[in-house]
Order: sequence, then C-alpha cells, then structure tokens
Amino acid sequence: SQQGEEDPQALSIQEGENATMNCSYKTSINNLQWYRQNSGRGLVHLILIRSNEREKHSGRLRVTLDTSKKSSSLLITASRAADTASYFCATEGGSYIPTFGRGTSLIVHP
Amino acid sequence: EAGVAQSPRYKIIEKRQSVAFWCNPISGHATLYWYQQILGQGPKLLIQFQNNGVVDDSQLPKDRFSAERLKGVDSTLKIQPAKLEDSAVYLCASSLGGVGSEAFFGQGTRLTVV
Repeated sequence: SQQGEEDPQALSIQEGENATMNCSYKTSINNLQWYRQNSGRGLVHLILIRSNEREKHSGRLRVTLDTSKKSSSLLITASRAADTASYFCATEGGSYIPTFGRGTSLIVHP
Repeated sequence: EAGVAQSPRYKIIEKRQSVAFWCNPISGHATLYWYQQILGQGPKLLIQFQNNGVVDDSQLPKDRFSAERLKGVDSTLKIQPAKLEDSAVYLCASSLGGVGSEAFFGQGTRLTVV
C-alpha cells in the first residue's frame, strides 16, 4: 500500500503564482522526499527533509514537515511553465524504502 | 556523471508472452530498486537489492515476476507470462544506500500488454 497521499490531485495556476501541495502519511517516518516527474526527464529528486527537521529551502522550493500532524507541504514560489509536472512525496520509515503517493499534477499556464 | 540506464524504452507484447527489462545503475551505487508505475498512480516498489542481495521483494508477484542483480551491478526484471494488468512503466532507480540516500531514476520502460 502507498504511504503518502498528496493533495490536491490536480492544480492549475498562472505563471508567477505560488503552488502549494500537501502530503499526508499514516505511520512514523525517518525522512520524507519530494520528487518531480515529467515526460521529458522522468522522476527527479527535489528535496529531502528528515524527521527532526521542520523546514527546508532549495531555490524556489520550500518544504515543511509536521510530524505531529503526519503531513508535509511543498511550496513552489514564482512558478514557471517549466514547473508543469507531477509531484510526488516519498516517505521512508524503518525499512528506508521510498514509498510514493499518487502525486499532484501541476499545470502552470504561461 | 552517467545516469541510470534502462532498456528498452518501449515494449508491446501480447498477453501470456514473456518480457525482460534491463537496468544499469550509476557506478558505485549499492542499492537498486525496481518500481512499477501504473498510469495515474505513484511508483510502487517491486524489489530492492543491496549489492546482489534482495532486501525487500514483498510486493513482487513472484508467480510471474522475477528479478536478479548479477555481480551487484546490472539488473534484469522479467515477466512471464504477462497479463493485461501488467501494462505500466517500469522504473529502475539506484542510490548509494544508507539513511535518506537520494534515489536516481532511469527514464523507465513503458510496457503495453495487448
């Protein structure tokens, strides 16, 4: 079964707007990773946040983790058409095996 | 740095036929994963290798799927016989291993079973 569940399933915004997607999970984790997938480049790792971290930044990406609520969010600021892709969270528990959710499909209109 | 190589990129077979996929991980990566991604869903782990040993194959349908990683480098995933529901993208990934290691994914093999 898949551990993380992303929300919303689909998101459509205009270029320059911010995009926020959420990931909820059910059991305790050691870390959580966000990946992007588009048809051109396959699955690409974006950022990892460990269970003892609350927030991380990477360029236009900001990830938060709330272990008490078992949830994470990915914020993309000043979105670009090239950000159009599916975004997945992958949780790692005791087995350290990345377990993926169903993903959020993001469309950024130029 | 060369990425994870997979072949073929596309494959169309009839049900009950057999098929094999090949993966060459990034040099030096001890951990290798095979994932199955059905259209509209996230990747589902089929099997994880650490060097040439199996770490987890609990979700691998062993009656029809098999995988091996000879000499702890390249890996092959085989389906025999294929069913219609096996139509999916098969993704190979590799990582250095260890806590929170980034997994690098190949482009995948898109399998269509007709």
